Amino acid sequence: EAGVAQSPRYKIIEKRQSVAFWCNPISGHATLYWYQQILGQGPKLLIQFQNNGVVDDSQLPKDRFSAERLKGVDSTLKIQPAKLEDSAVYLCASSLGSRTGLSYQETQYFGPGTRLLVL
Amino acid sequence: RKEVEQDPGPFNVPEGATVAFNCTYSNSASQSFFWYRQDCRKEPKLLMSVYSSGNEDGRFTAQLNRASQYISLLIRDSKLSDSATYLCVVPILTGGGNKLTFGTGTQLKVEL
Repeated sequence: EAGVAQSPRYKIIEKRQSVAFWCNPISGHATLYWYQQILGQGPKLLIQFQNNGVVDDSQLPKDRFSAERLKGVDSTLKIQPAKLEDSAVYLCASSLGSRTGLSYQETQYFGPGTRLLVL
Repeated sequence: RKEVEQDPGPFNVPEGATVAFNCTYSNSASQSFFWYRQDCRKEPKLLMSVYSSGNEDGRFTAQLNRASQYISLLIRDSKLSDSATYLCVVPILTGGGNKLTFGTGTQLKVEL
């Protein structure tokens, strides 16, 4: 079974430039997540989609970050304009999205991530 | 208290040693917990889930103490290949469902 695909794997840009990341989840997975992982920290959820709808974007810096999942399959995350503190690994994950509730949590499968360096 | 708190380490242990990591969480409503493993420059991968008092899988044992709000991961007979960062993960209920909240991770280095 193919895993979560992400591209590009690496990106170097200058501050104030724009950048976009792409994610293709595991086939059949309804839920898609974008995480930001800064060096030395755990992943932080930026946005969660259920099919093509946003479930949680409370930690997404909406003045510069945007994400979409128009057809409920692949997704793009954009940063415009980038700041130095955006340097991080951007991880995409997906899960089946068939069950909810505190008593059960579906396994999330992560992609390899995109390493972003903002100079 | 932070939502999820871990000792960052690093824990340097000899091969064959037993090592334990603790993780504390603040949300008493959380009922399921996870340990993820993250190798250097790789993505996190699920290691173990903990839904009740504990879970064991080979050399790995995860335990949950709800009263004290902490979970632990015990690794017996450490192997060189166990060297990685171990992330404690707690689902936090939000308006849209569960949000996985990751700790900063505990780094383990197993040495010869």
